[in-house]
Amino acid sequence: QKEVEQNSGPLSVPEGAIASLNCTYSDRGSQSFFWYRQYSGKSPELIMFIYSNGDKEDGRFTAQLNKASQYVSLLIRDSQPSDSATYLCAFSNTGKLIFGQGTTLQVKP
Amino acid sequence: DAGVIQSPRHEVTEMGQEVTLRCKPISGHNSLFWYRQTMMRGLELLIYFNNNVPIDDSGMPEDRFSAKMPNASFSTLKIQPSEPRDSAVYFCASSPTWANEQFFGPGTRLTVL
Repeated sequence: QKEVEQNSGPLSVPEGAIASLNCTYSDRGSQSFFWYRQYSGKSPELIMFIYSNGDKEDGRFTAQLNKASQYVSLLIRDSQPSDSATYLCAFSNTGKLIFGQGTTLQVKP
Repeated sequence: DAGVIQSPRHEVTEMGQEVTLRCKPISGHNSLFWYRQTMMRGLELLIYFNNNVPIDDSGMPEDRFSAKMPNASFSTLKIQPSEPRDSAVYFCASSPTWANEQFFGPGTRLTVL
C-alpha cells in the first residue's frame, strides 16, 4: 500500500465550479498535512497546511482533515483557468514530507 | 526576501561524467531537503539535513549519489558517475523547523546522454 494515495486525474471542471481534490494516507501517527500546487515546469508551491481535524479556509481554498478516516481534501471554490496545475498532498513523518503522486486539475473556460 | 536558490538550472552531460548540483537554503532555515522528480516515480526524497547534519539518506538511490552540507547556507548533491537514468528534475527545499512546511527552489533539470 502506498503511503499517500491520490487520483492522478486529470480532474476537469468548468470555470467557476468547485474543484474537489482528495488524498488518503496510511500513517495514523501523522500530525501535519500539506497541499502543494505545481505548475508544469515549475517547482511545488505550498498553498495550504492543516494540523487539526476539520476545515481550514484561506481565500478560495479550503482544506479538510479527517484523521479517523485518514483523509485530507482540498476544495477550490470559483475555479479559474489559472488554477490548472498538479496538486500534491503530503504529510509529515519524522521530520520529512511524504508526497503523493499528485492530481492534475484542468479548469476549462 | 530571496527564496531557495539552486544552480545550475539546466545541466546536460554525458554518461560517466560527474555532476554537482548546488543549493542555498532560505536564511534562518535549519532543515534542507534534496528531492528528485520524474514522471514515473513522482517526487522522491533523496536526503535531508537538520542543522547541517544528514538525518536520513535512505532515499539516495546508490553509492553514486552523495550530498554534503558544509555550512548552514550551502549544500551540494553530487552524482559520480552519472547515468542516463539519473535524468530528472532535482529540487532542493528548506524548512524553518522539523515537520513544518517546506519551501522549494526552482529545481535543476538534469539530462544525462
